[in-house]
Amino acid sequence: DGGITQSPKYLFRKEGQNVTLSCEQNLNHDAMYWYRQDPGQGLRLIYYSQIVNDFQKGDIAEGYSVSREKKESFPLTVTSAQKNPTAFYLCASSRIGGTGELFFGEGSRLTVL
Amino acid sequence: GDSVTQMEGPVTLSEEAFLTINCTYTATGYPSLFWYVQYPGEGLQLLLKATKADDKGSNKGFEATYRKETTSFHLEKGSVQVSDSAVYFCALSDLSGDNAGNMLTFGGGTRLMVKP
Repeated sequence: DGGITQSPKYLFRKEGQNVTLSCEQNLNHDAMYWYRQDPGQGLRLIYYSQIVNDFQKGDIAEGYSVSREKKESFPLTVTSAQKNPTAFYLCASSRIGGTGELFFGEGSRLTVL
Repeated sequence: GDSVTQMEGPVTLSEEAFLTINCTYTATGYPSLFWYVQYPGEGLQLLLKATKADDKGSNKGFEATYRKETTSFHLEKGSVQVSDSAVYFCALSDLSGDNAGNMLTFGGGTRLMVKP
């Protein structure tokens, strides 16, 4: 089945550690996105990529980094510079153009101890 | 810039009650409008969409009509079930201007709780 796979589903880290969240899609979508969701709040865009080897900052990129070496993969690294990293992270993908629909993974919950 | 405003939750209803979740938007172009649903601990799933004025999106008994004159896209369901308990997000995608990549602008989400 086509879809988006995020891993791990739950992740714990100590302060000062970098962690990388995986996102893989087999939908042949060109665009991929990372969103952050905090309890009781909406989604905020961290980074997005429309093509391999290119990506753009979203609204809250500070303390995060991404790469897009393959069309299928868009990993997110939460660095130690991110001051409040505990959150639910959602990866999504879409075609370019069309009606604008995004397809989401099931999310990764990061907790900083 | 673009923005989406939803009614704040939580919305608590009894089973078989009528549901309305209000959503209004501002956009510079001609956006597509979406409702996404998020069940506990999961990602978002597309519930319905509308791509132009007066279009009605519908799915699983939910409906929403794209009203350009009132810049609204209110979600309705005639008879809710306990299984509808979730968080509902209104969103828009404005493909004009700089947004060639389908970036969505989301509302803050509305939690719906349906009691038996």
